[in-house]
Amino acid sequence: EPEVTQTPSHQVTQMGQEVILRCVPISNHLYFYWYRQILGQKVEFLVSFYNNEISEKSEIFDDQFSVERPDGSNFTLKIRSTKLEDSAMYFCASRGGSYVNEQFFGPGTRLTVL
Amino acid sequence: RKEVEQDPGPFNVPEGATVAFNCTYSNSASQSFFWYRQDCRKEPKLLMSVYSSGNEDGRFTAQLNRASQYISLLIRDSKLSDSATYLCVVMTPSSSYKLIFGSGTRLLVRP
Repeated sequence: EPEVTQTPSHQVTQMGQEVILRCVPISNHLYFYWYRQILGQKVEFLVSFYNNEISEKSEIFDDQFSVERPDGSNFTLKIRSTKLEDSAMYFCASRGGSYVNEQFFGPGTRLTVL
Repeated sequence: RKEVEQDPGPFNVPEGATVAFNCTYSNSASQSFFWYRQDCRKEPKLLMSVYSSGNEDGRFTAQLNRASQYISLLIRDSKLSDSATYLCVVMTPSSSYKLIFGSGTRLLVRP
């Protein structure tokens, strides 16, 4: 069964450092998302990406964040200068198309900022 | 008012019990509704979509009441493996089809 994959599973970084979280969405999917979940809190939408551009972003997704689809398979989230409050699980998700509502999530990357 | 609201639980039930979770949402224009399951420190996994007519998948039954903006999930004959957090999720009317998550209801099924 096709699945979304994410690397690394755990990333530890120092405050102020740049991190790149990587995702490989399901191969024939067209819509891609990043969500995050701070420990003990609910899952929150960060950004959506379609047709090689951002279609929507939340207030959390400020200038420190960027997304890219550098090739036909990878989808990345970059945090330029990490803050302590960026520590969270980051989930990538993908969706098939306009008439397919279900989103499927990757296993997540646990980001710890020290 | 929270966009998606759930009772946090925990619901502590014996094996074989029937348990019901409720959820309300604030945006009347919301289009699609889901129940996801999340195990500790894992990703949300789609349990089932929720349709206006109600739908069933094995031991799981989901209901939607658009007039009351209310969603429910019923689990019959609970198994130990059902222990998890159940997330009520709503797709908002936006160009991105983003998902809005409730905080989740925790279920513990005991032997």
